[in-house]
Amino acid sequence: DADVTQTPRNRITKTGKRIMLECSQTKGHDRMYWYRQDPGLGLRLIYYSFDVKDINKGEISDGYSVSRQAQAKFSLSLESAIPNQTALYFCATSDSSGFAGELFFGEGSRLTVL
Amino acid sequence: AQSVTQPDIHITVSEGASLELRCNYSYGATPYLFWYVQSPGQGLQLLLKYFSGDTLVQGIKGFEAEFKRSQSSFNLRKPSVHWSDAAEYFCAVGDNTGGFKTIFGAGTRLFVKA
Repeated sequence: DADVTQTPRNRITKTGKRIMLECSQTKGHDRMYWYRQDPGLGLRLIYYSFDVKDINKGEISDGYSVSRQAQAKFSLSLESAIPNQTALYFCATSDSSGFAGELFFGEGSRLTVL
Repeated sequence: AQSVTQPDIHITVSEGASLELRCNYSYGATPYLFWYVQSPGQGLQLLLKYFSGDTLVQGIKGFEAEFKRSQSSFNLRKPSVHWSDAAEYFCAVGDNTGGFKTIFGAGTRLFVKA
């Protein structure tokens, strides 16, 4: 099983719908991140969490919200999806006990908003 | 603000030829630098990282990168490319302001021809 699991892997939805992307990890890391990947733009940070009680906005948080339900779970919500939120979304984790820089990624959730 | 520039959107090399992918960064202090690889349909995987010390760092899959402070560069190299190296490569810098975050470049897609 993957260390960082994202569900769903693919989702097609309509404008205005609420969508939740879920991420769970078995690595025991306390830091979790949501990134968005768009062609030609690389990965951009949406939200990040350094522990269960810590939530921080990244560079493109507008239109998104997150919930850190437990150390191992970090979900991303789009309250009212719009077409320009069509993208590939990645969850990642890192460990703060040693060097915190290396990120471990899930396989991505491809979201299409019609 | 910290940033990463990958000047080449895509590169094509012949199998067996050498490879160099360019990366320039903008960061006020000594940077933490990374190269990640994304194979089709997969998440990102760390190839190598630089924190301090020897400016030539070795990574997995036969890759290496050289940190040049005077040029603000961290170029990725491989002496002989294999067809399985076809992927997208991301350079990234660690941003330690307000908690450690990783800032990614736009990526370079590598095509390998027989």
